[in-house]
Order: sequence, then structure tokens, then C-alpha cells
Amino acid sequence: EPEVTQTPSHQVTQMGQEVILRCVPISNHLYFYWYRQILGQKVEFLVSFYNNEISEKSEIFDDQFSVERPDGSNFTLKIRSTKLEDSAMYFCAGRDRGESEKLFFGSGTQLSVL
Amino acid sequence: GDSVTQMEGPVTLSEEAFLTINCTYTATGYPSLFWYVQYPGEGLQLLLKATKADDKGSNKGFEATYRKETTSFHLEKGSVQVSDSAVYFCALSEGGGYQKVTFGTGTKLQVIP
Repeated sequence: EPEVTQTPSHQVTQMGQEVILRCVPISNHLYFYWYRQILGQKVEFLVSFYNNEISEKSEIFDDQFSVERPDGSNFTLKIRSTKLEDSAMYFCAGRDRGESEKLFFGSGTQLSVL
Repeated sequence: GDSVTQMEGPVTLSEEAFLTINCTYTATGYPSLFWYVQYPGEGLQLLLKATKADDKGSNKGFEATYRKETTSFHLEKGSVQVSDSAVYFCALSEGGGYQKVTFGTGTKLQVIP
């Protein structure tokens, strides 16, 4: 079965630094998402992306966050100036054209902000 | 807004024991309901789903029934195996396309031989 690939698997950064989390979705998917999970808490929706623009974003997704899909392949999440509370597992997900509602997830990037 | 509440873990069971993981939801419309599973080192993957009231989703011996009257979608399995050890997430979605999926906190299941 095709896979969603996320890199890196672990990222350690200093507070205030910029990080870019990368995802390669399944090729025929049209809808893309970022979720995150702080240890012991819910898997939280950050943003959905369709047709090269943001479809919906949560309150978490403030001006420090941005997403883009520059080359039709990679789907990236950028955090401009990381905070301690950004430490979490970040998941990329995708969905195809149909109405199946099934999300395909990557294995996640564990971000640690020191 | 929409939300999902599921029982806290971890849940530890002996092999062949009966499993129930409770899940209740709050939604404004008529959502589809899901159980996702995450095995160690992997991403979440869809285990089963139900799209309307009284539907039963099933897969790999797991079952869950969409109960609109109790707003619940409890996950059950009659006889768990060591290989079922994973984190289980209850979730809902108000529709397809770009609609988001809302997840619970996850329940870790550990099955011991």
C-alpha cells in the first residue's frame, strides 16, 4: 500500500529557531493535513490544505505556522520561531478525491524544543 | 465544536481476554465515526468506521456500533492477541473532502501472553 513519508523522524531545536517539517503525501491525494499530539493529550488538528491553499485552520495554527506544497510533491509545515510548547509529535495526513473520509497518516516527526 | 472522549489508558489485558474501549462524541451534525490504530513507530491507520446510526464497523475481529441515542462508538474485540498491542484512537468527521477529522486522546492497549 502507498505510504505517506515524513522527515525527519526526530527534530531537536532551540527555542526561537525556525523548523521545517517535511511530508511526501501519496501521489493521487488531493487533501492534506497537519495534526500534532502533545504527549498524553489529544491528536489536534492544525490545518487542512487543498488546491494550493489553506481550507481550514485551528486556533493553534497562528502566524508562527505556515504550510506550502511548492513542487506538487512535498508538503511542508514551517514554524517560524519555535516555543517550548510546540514540542509534540507532528503528523502529516492525506485523503484522496473520493468520499471515503479515510485519512492516510505518516509515522510522524517528534519535535523537541529546548 | 466537535469533540471525542475516550477512556484513559493504559489498558492491560491477558491474551484471549475481551476488550472494550469506550468512546463518546459531541457533534453538531451527523458525523461519521472511526477507530484508528497506531502501532509502535508507525502512523495512525484506519481500523474501522461507521457512517450512520446503527451501522456496525468491523475489521480484524474488532467491532464498533454507531449509537446515536447514547452518542457512543465503543470498540470491542472478543479475544485479543499480543499483536493487538497498540494505541487506539476514536475519531469523527463531519464529511469528506477537506473536512477535518477530530480525534480523542488515544487509549494504549497492552496485551500480555
